[in-house]
Amino acid sequence: NAGVMQNPRHLVRRRGQEARLRCSPVKGHSHVYWYRQLPEEGLKFMVYLQKENIIDESGMPKERFSAEFPKEGPSILRIQQVVRGDSAAYFCASSPGTIQAGNTIYFGEGSWLTVV
Amino acid sequence: DQQVKQNSPSLSVQEGRISILNCDYTNSMFDYFLWYKKYPAEGPTFLISISSIKDKNEDGRFTVFLNKSAKHLSLHIVPSQPGDSAVYFCAASSYNTDKLIFGTGTRLQVFP
Repeated sequence: NAGVMQNPRHLVRRRGQEARLRCSPVKGHSHVYWYRQLPEEGLKFMVYLQKENIIDESGMPKERFSAEFPKEGPSILRIQQVVRGDSAAYFCASSPGTIQAGNTIYFGEGSWLTVV
Repeated sequence: DQQVKQNSPSLSVQEGRISILNCDYTNSMFDYFLWYKKYPAEGPTFLISISSIKDKNEDGRFTVFLNKSAKHLSLHIVPSQPGDSAVYFCAASSYNTDKLIFGTGTRLQVFP
């Protein structure tokens, strides 16, 4: 998967706890995307970030979810006060430029969140 | 509102034959289309893409066809191999946004 690193691969949280998912994009990639896949569904867009900026967060739930991509370090997807419905696979992807410029988006192997 | 639809949840094909996976979309603003392949517990892997200015793109065993008037695209794999067994997602993007909208996937099984 072209070097997009996600961790943890598996995370178990009790209801009400916080989940933090980290994503290190391919070296040199400045565009990061987060997608969520619920069981038996396709991937749903959540948020698109460039370094230090949120470009499009139209797929993010209005509450409890936040994302950042700081100047230094990985991108973080943060879910506060998790509920059972947050259980899903969360995929991070990166690209060197925009999709419209013909750049390919490379996905990481995903972080599987289970809320008990 | 499912803007990208893959109406066949599964497909079974014999090794060596052609696999045809279909995808329909509703948003006429989409102008760039991609196919991804996904194995269980792994992330999607890019296969092939096509811009709306083309109606066909080929890469080895994989060919994508785009019919803009029908808002339909298809992925042909020939010859199919057992290693092709996976879930295939089509995805679309429009010129005024930089996010991919995915279909629900088709599970392809290639048997000997």
